[in-house]
Amino acid sequence: DVKVTQSSRYLVKRTGEKVFLECVQDMDHENMFWYRQDPGLGLRLIYFSYDVKMKEKGDIPEGYSVSREKKERFSLILESASTNQTSMYLCASSLGDGSSYEQYFGPGTRLTVT
Amino acid sequence: QQQVKQSPQSLIVQKGGISIINCAYENTAFDYFPWYQQFPGKGPALLIAIRPDVSEKKEGRFTISFNKSAKQFSLHIMDSQPGDSATYFCAASKYQGGKLIFGQGTELSVKP
Repeated sequence: DVKVTQSSRYLVKRTGEKVFLECVQDMDHENMFWYRQDPGLGLRLIYFSYDVKMKEKGDIPEGYSVSREKKERFSLILESASTNQTSMYLCASSLGDGSSYEQYFGPGTRLTVT
Repeated sequence: QQQVKQSPQSLIVQKGGISIINCAYENTAFDYFPWYQQFPGKGPALLIAIRPDVSEKKEGRFTISFNKSAKQFSLHIMDSQPGDSATYFCAASKYQGGKLIFGQGTELSVKP
């Protein structure tokens, strides 16, 4: 089974702190994605990566950056956390070889910024 | 701009009833339309998906109906069960392995 793990289930940070959210997948997937989930807004794409060291902005990249040094690991960075970044963050991965569109999601990290 | 609009936001159905969730999209370049199911405390998981070359796809109690001319697609859950209670997201994508555009989500509650 594909497994996508996220470093923390719950995280509380203070305004202005630098926050790192880590995601690891164990199925050698090429593509990795970071979303945030907010009630009534669905899932919105923050950043995605089709290959190691390659990243592209999603729909709401402002205030975020990402790092992908290894194929299996994709990190989301909040440079200076703000209260409007309080949300559920979901990481996902997909094959990327054209055989499947399916994205596999981790359990999410609920981040609270106070 | 929301490219995929989903309704209703919440839905209550009696056990054994039919649950229907609707989505509308704007971009005619989309060529893949999945539905994801999310239980509390879990990440979303693919439930069923359709390509625009067919008008319907059925897997067990779950059916996607697709209307290309109207740019709409819907999820039907037949014989709804309490275990189907979850949040459902429709989505769309316009190329292989590409990014998904999600709808706003529907919280389904099936009452026993």
